[in-house]
Amino acid sequence: DAKTTQPTSMDCAEGRAANLPCNHSTISGNEYVYWYRQIHSQGPQYIIHGLKNNETNEMASLIITEDRKSSTLILPHATLRDTAVYYCIVSEFMDSNYQLIWGAGTKLIIKP
Amino acid sequence: NAGVTQTPKFRILKIGQSMTLQCAQDMNHNYMYWYRQDPGMGLKLIYYSVGAGITDKGEVPNGYNVSRSTTEDFPLRLELAAPSQTSVYFCASSLTATGGHFGDGTRLSIL
Repeated sequence: DAKTTQPTSMDCAEGRAANLPCNHSTISGNEYVYWYRQIHSQGPQYIIHGLKNNETNEMASLIITEDRKSSTLILPHATLRDTAVYYCIVSEFMDSNYQLIWGAGTKLIIKP
Repeated sequence: NAGVTQTPKFRILKIGQSMTLQCAQDMNHNYMYWYRQDPGMGLKLIYYSVGAGITDKGEVPNGYNVSRSTTEDFPLRLELAAPSQTSVYFCASSLTATGGHFGDGTRLSIL
């Protein structure tokens, strides 16, 4: 089972920052937090990942709490095209390799 | 740069038939993955490969087989199709052990 807990759905106004929370209280020291999104049944798209430091790229920012038990993905200026299901995933060590175990994600709806 | 290419995009099979889902990547990635996604759910890992000649089972391998004879190709085979295998199948590749680029998926219905 996935190690992450996310709200089922969220709304955000266009142009505002979208803050998507994720709980991962059982994360281990070497396990990364990944964020992907999936737009209308297309293949998932990588957004960002981090271990313990906050990360930022051209798509989003990732804020990880100091105890690493939760994180927040921030889309700074949400547009209608950001409407998607957002997956927070913790890589888990299985059979000598780290794998991504996916939960059901958060459906983010950006409203005009 | 095509990225990850999956074929076919859609397929309908009868129970008991077999087929191979094709996946090819042109990014010289060592890691490749097959996932399935049922409606309203996240992805579940079927099989993965860390390089040519090496494959390993994921969460839900039963009913599937894979091979990795080249770096570029990672086909997924269904030997005896069952209704429970109706799903959307995604192939992915990555440079490192996690993360990755995904294909557009193969929508498979078993009737």
